[in-house]
Amino acid sequence: GQNIDQPTEMTATEGAIVQINCTYQTSGFNGLFWYQQHAGEAPTFLSYNVLDGLEEKGRFSSFLSRSKGYSYLLLKELQMKDSASYLCAVRDSNYQLIWGAGTKLIIKP
Amino acid sequence: NAGVTQTPKFRILKIGQSMTLQCAQDMNHNYMYWYRQDPGMGLKLIYYSVGAGITDKGEVPNGYNVSRSTTEDFPLRLELAAPSQTSVYFCASSLDTSSYEQYFGPGTRLTVT
Repeated sequence: GQNIDQPTEMTATEGAIVQINCTYQTSGFNGLFWYQQHAGEAPTFLSYNVLDGLEEKGRFSSFLSRSKGYSYLLLKELQMKDSASYLCAVRDSNYQLIWGAGTKLIIKP
Repeated sequence: NAGVTQTPKFRILKIGQSMTLQCAQDMNHNYMYWYRQDPGMGLKLIYYSVGAGITDKGEVPNGYNVSRSTTEDFPLRLELAAPSQTSVYFCASSLDTSSYEQYFGPGTRLTVT
């Protein structure tokens, strides 16, 4: 079966750095996505990785290792508005997105 | 551009009732998707469409139907509502299958009692 695992909840302090991990087992791989979802709102796109390595976009970076079936999202200089759920999704061999359950990130002042 | 719009925002149905969730996009995207999101679970694909007149089942299609008569609209039909269909429903669109991102509508929160 297809499976994506990420921690259910994490807590971090404003101004700090947090790393959210995602491991996956899917039938085929055509890219990994990270989305942000604030409570009661729709998911919004954050990042995309298809090759191994680090993609940096401002305060957010995403890393991929295809051989290990592993990715992480790194958030720097945390702000209160970063409190949200972070969803990992993998595009499989049929080009469909398989979604993890999301990691709820709580930022404390 | 309004992006992806969905109506209604909230709805309460009785068991056995039917309803249609509306979804429209004004970005001229070919691909459209319907997902449901249950608490503590990942998004699950219900149906998707690769263009007007073409639809296909996703992971959890039972109890739902779709149609795609135009590029812009992709309604989702619930024929006989069941409590298991209580969920938040999101419509999304993308330009094509290789696009980096899907654009999501604001969601419809449906309760079946």
